[in-house]
Amino acid sequence: EDQVTQSPEALRLQEGESSSLNCSYTVSGLRGLFWYRQDPGKGPEFLFTLYSAGEEKEKERLKATLTKKESFLHITAPKPEDSATYLCAVLGSAGNKLTFGGGTRVLVKP
Amino acid sequence: ETGVTQTPRHLVMGMTNKKSLKCEQHLGHNAMYWYKQSAKKPLELMFVYSLEERVENNSVPSRFSPECPNSSHLFLHLHTLQPEDSALYLCASSHGGAGRGSGDTQYFGPGTRLTVL
Repeated sequence: EDQVTQSPEALRLQEGESSSLNCSYTVSGLRGLFWYRQDPGKGPEFLFTLYSAGEEKEKERLKATLTKKESFLHITAPKPEDSATYLCAVLGSAGNKLTFGGGTRVLVKP
Repeated sequence: ETGVTQTPRHLVMGMTNKKSLKCEQHLGHNAMYWYKQSAKKPLELMFVYSLEERVENNSVPSRFSPECPNSSHLFLHLHTLQPEDSALYLCASSHGGAGRGSGDTQYFGPGTRLTVL
């Protein structure tokens, strides 16, 4: 069974204080690792898909990286608008099932 | 409208009521999904439809009944729910199909916040 564990559960940052979120996973035949951002009361918003170890993707202050066992989401010089819950999910070779982690709640204070 | 839309956004129902949640995708995708998001729990996949056929049913109680009349619309019919069914119900869609590629990416709607009294 595919498993995803995210850490930390919550992260408080000062504006401009860079940090990283971790997503550890076990999956049978990785077809993709996905990062989403979710604001309170809203649906997850797609950020990145990573397909193979060594791959990196960037979008504004966010950068996602992937190894064979984990992925990191680096937030560089965060702003208050980066406050959200960040979700990691994996898609394995068996079917269309995305397995999600519990998320990391990020709060960036001005 | 663009992306994935869901109605209603909020729903309060009693345990004896029957209601339906509606999802519509405007992305030309072939696969649609229902997820449940409860407080302090990861998103849980409930149902998957690919080309209007149900391909996955994750041991969901029969009081939840999905319907996919075409590749753009997905419904979740609810009856005799329990208070523990209160949650955010999310719909998603993707291009679908097996294999690696951007078609695997799932795009989510805003969700329906359901409260069962």
